[in-house]
Amino acid sequence: GQQLNQSPQSMFIQEGEDVSMNCTSSSIFNTWLWYKQDPGEGPVLLIALYKAGELTSNGRLTAQFGITRKDSFLNISASIPSDVGIYFCAGRRGGSNYKLTFGKGTLLTVNP
Amino acid sequence: DTAVSQTPKYLVTQMGNDKSIKCEQNLGHDTMYWYKQDSKKFLKIMFSYNNKELIINETVPNRFSPKSPDKAHLNLHINSLELGDSAVYFCASSQDLGTGRSGNTIYFGEGSWLTVV
Repeated sequence: GQQLNQSPQSMFIQEGEDVSMNCTSSSIFNTWLWYKQDPGEGPVLLIALYKAGELTSNGRLTAQFGITRKDSFLNISASIPSDVGIYFCAGRRGGSNYKLTFGKGTLLTVNP
Repeated sequence: DTAVSQTPKYLVTQMGNDKSIKCEQNLGHDTMYWYKQDSKKFLKIMFSYNNKELIINETVPNRFSPKSPDKAHLNLHINSLELGDSAVYFCASSQDLGTGRSGNTIYFGEGSWLTVV
């Protein structure tokens, strides 16, 4: 089945540091999404990307849709304690394939 | 107002029991989903319904039976619960199947924590 490789699996950083995580796939996607899951909650959409090369920001978050359409990255600048959580990438292929495939998540811990 | 709401949030039950999880969305979306998140936090789609019609059944055991009485509701019934069914089950919805940009945005409920003992 379709798989997304998300890395790193976990990160421990100090408050104020910048963070970068990425997802790669062996197949082409036409949509990349980044979600954050807080403890005890459901995933919440952070950024949606629909076009190869697209670079989109949401506050301190920036994500890019890779040119090859097989990868995406998410950057968080000047991290704060409330950035703690699990970040998931998700991709959807085009055509009749409606499934949204998720990466395995990146657990982010921010030390104040 | 909660966009996607599911109940119960926590459920502890014995092996062999039958249980249901209910889900409702007030976003006016056509498409609803059930996802399972295992202990390693991996999210995997189980079912997708569009306008009450089953679109995706991701090789889920037939002990799991989704039911969509209308497009705002997608309930999940599980028969003969097994220990391996313990997980967090997320209901979600999107505008449509993803053919347009709005349909690609999936909104999740807060999850139902199922523990089978």
